[in-house]
Amino acid sequence: EVQLLESGGGLGQPGGSLRLSCAASGFTFSSYAMSWVRQAPGKGLEWVSTLSDSGGSAFYADSVKGRFTVSRDNSKNTLYLEMNSLRAEDTAMYYCARRIVSTIYYYFDLWGQGTLVTVSS
Amino acid sequence: SYELTQPLSVSVALGQTASITCGGNNIGGKNVHWYQRRPGQAPVLVIYRDSKRPSGIPERFSGSNSGNTATLIISRAQPGDEADYYCQVWDSSIVVFGGGTKLTVL
Repeated sequence: EVQLLESGGGLGQPGGSLRLSCAASGFTFSSYAMSWVRQAPGKGLEWVSTLSDSGGSAFYADSVKGRFTVSRDNSKNTLYLEMNSLRAEDTAMYYCARRIVSTIYYYFDLWGQGTLVTVSS
Repeated sequence: SYELTQPLSVSVALGQTASITCGGNNIGGKNVHWYQRRPGQAPVLVIYRDSKRPSGIPERFSGSNSGNTATLIISRAQPGDEADYYCQVWDSSIVVFGGGTKLTVL
């Protein structure tokens, strides 16, 4: 079955760190760029980060740039999000998503169930 | 930055047709994608590139895009269609989502 399964969410301290994981199965993980998208309570979806299929190119939203790092291990079919210097506004459900892109379009055709991150003291 | 505007909520009677709009400056010149998110479930792509349906998505789901408005159309609405729906575009290398619309099937 083609699926994405996130883990690693939980309670994080302001200024602290968390590491999220996304395990992929049912497709050739190394052929796809992968992304993280989050949804804060009562808010809409917000793109967080994208990593190329090889892991050589990473992109971040301004809101997380310099604090979050995306990486992947294609031998383990797993995507990661290292979250540092956590802020209350990082509280959200974090989704892993598979990206489809061309020169004129960019969308997400497969999503995980999400993992909840709460930043609070 | 580019903004997408969606109504907060839309209601539709069982078996009738629902239209969910997504407004943006000259959005007709962009590719629009739509996602369904049922409570507690993973988001699902229901329409991509304005009007294409992924495999497994019922023909009841369709999309259009012209001028300053893109529209997701759900015909013969079912209870299982109750969900939040989000539009999304790619503008100046930035992924932009609409604020989401809660669809209620009465």
